[in-house]
Amino acid sequence: AQSVTQLGSHVSVSEGALVLLRCNYSSSVPPYLFWYVQYPNQGLQLLLKYTSAATLVKGINGFEAEFKKSETSFHLTKPSAHMSDAAEYFCAVSGPGSGNTGKLIFGQGTTLQVKP
Amino acid sequence: DAGVTQSPTHLIKTRGQQVTLRCSPKSGHDTVSWYQQALGQGPQFIFQYYEEEERQRGNFPDRFSGHQFPNYSSELNVNALLLGDSALYLCASSFNRDSVQYFGPGTRLTVL
Repeated sequence: AQSVTQLGSHVSVSEGALVLLRCNYSSSVPPYLFWYVQYPNQGLQLLLKYTSAATLVKGINGFEAEFKKSETSFHLTKPSAHMSDAAEYFCAVSGPGSGNTGKLIFGQGTTLQVKP
Repeated sequence: DAGVTQSPTHLIKTRGQQVTLRCSPKSGHDTVSWYQQALGQGPQFIFQYYEEEERQRGNFPDRFSGHQFPNYSSELNVNALLLGDSALYLCASSFNRDSVQYFGPGTRLTVL
């Protein structure tokens, strides 16, 4: 069965510092991987997706993620944190054989705090 | 272009009652998925509807049921509510080919 593990339920960085949010997945087939962001009292917004094309994926708001098959990882990074980046971040994988539109399996989430 | 919309925004029910939540997909989308997000957790897949039929289902009891209408909008019904059903219910829509899922703002259900 597929699963997603997000290492660190809470990450705190200073404004302007590097953001690194960790995600590891388990999958018996090549997965589709996603990062979503959730601001307080809102739904989820897609940051970026990996669908077996380029391994370095660029998303919105300056975020990017690198797919590393050997490490089964899909970590999210941003070179310089802004106060507006403070939110909950979720890594997700599509269910087997479902491609982009199938069942999403989410990690537990990582809360990003940005300090001034 | 309107995104995914959900109603109501908030809902308070008591144990044993029944509830219906509604979702209108993004324009051009024909597939609707429902997720339950308990406080402090990641969303959990409930089920997905396409062409008015349930196409996939997660590990949720039969108390959770749904429906999709010809205009692609969808309802989620929960019977015999339990305290543990308190959560944010998220609807996501997609186009049944190769598009990602876009989420609505959610309905916050509180069961007392």
